[in-house]
Amino acid sequence: DVKVTQSSRYLVKRTGEKVFLECVQDMDHENMFWYRQDPGLGLRLIYFSYDVKMKEKGDIPEGYSVSREKKERFSLILESASTNQTSMYLCASSSSDGIYEQYFGPGTRLTVT
Amino acid sequence: AQSVAQPEDQVNVAEGNPLTVKCTYSVSGNPYLFWYVQYPNRGLQFLLKYITGDNLVKGSYGFEAEFNKSQTSFHLKKPSALVSDSALYFCAVRDGRNYQLIWGAGTKLIIKP
Repeated sequence: DVKVTQSSRYLVKRTGEKVFLECVQDMDHENMFWYRQDPGLGLRLIYFSYDVKMKEKGDIPEGYSVSREKKERFSLILESASTNQTSMYLCASSSSDGIYEQYFGPGTRLTVT
Repeated sequence: AQSVAQPEDQVNVAEGNPLTVKCTYSVSGNPYLFWYVQYPNRGLQFLLKYITGDNLVKGSYGFEAEFNKSQTSFHLKKPSALVSDSALYFCAVRDGRNYQLIWGAGTKLIIKP
């Protein structure tokens, strides 16, 4: 079974702090994604990566950056956390098999105070 | 433009009754369609997918979905609902231009005993 893990289930940070969210997948998938999920807004894509060191902006990249130094690991960075970044963050991965079914981690609920 | 619509924010069903969660799509080319389920404070779990072949697709937990090309729909169904089916359901379609999935806004399914 594909396994996608995220570094924390719950995280509380203060405004202005730098925040790192890490995601690791064990299926050698080429593609990795970061979403945020807010009530009534569904899933919104922040960034994705289709290869090591490659990244592309999604729909809401402002205030975020990402890093993919190894194929299995995709990190989301909040350079200076703000209260409007309080949300559920979901990581996913998929292979480049033409179907692109995504596999999700358990999510990180981030609260910025 | 490529899109997915879930026209109902919430669906209420009595336990034991059949349930339907609706999804319509608009994509260029052949659609690859997915249903995912999300339980509270968890990541998304894959339920089923349509790639090609039989229009009736069977998935996890007794769910099935019917692909209708003429109506561009992929409705999720279950013959007899359980209280434990209460969750948030997302429909998604592969974006024909790249390896992303396009997500519906989600439908909250509430099964009452």
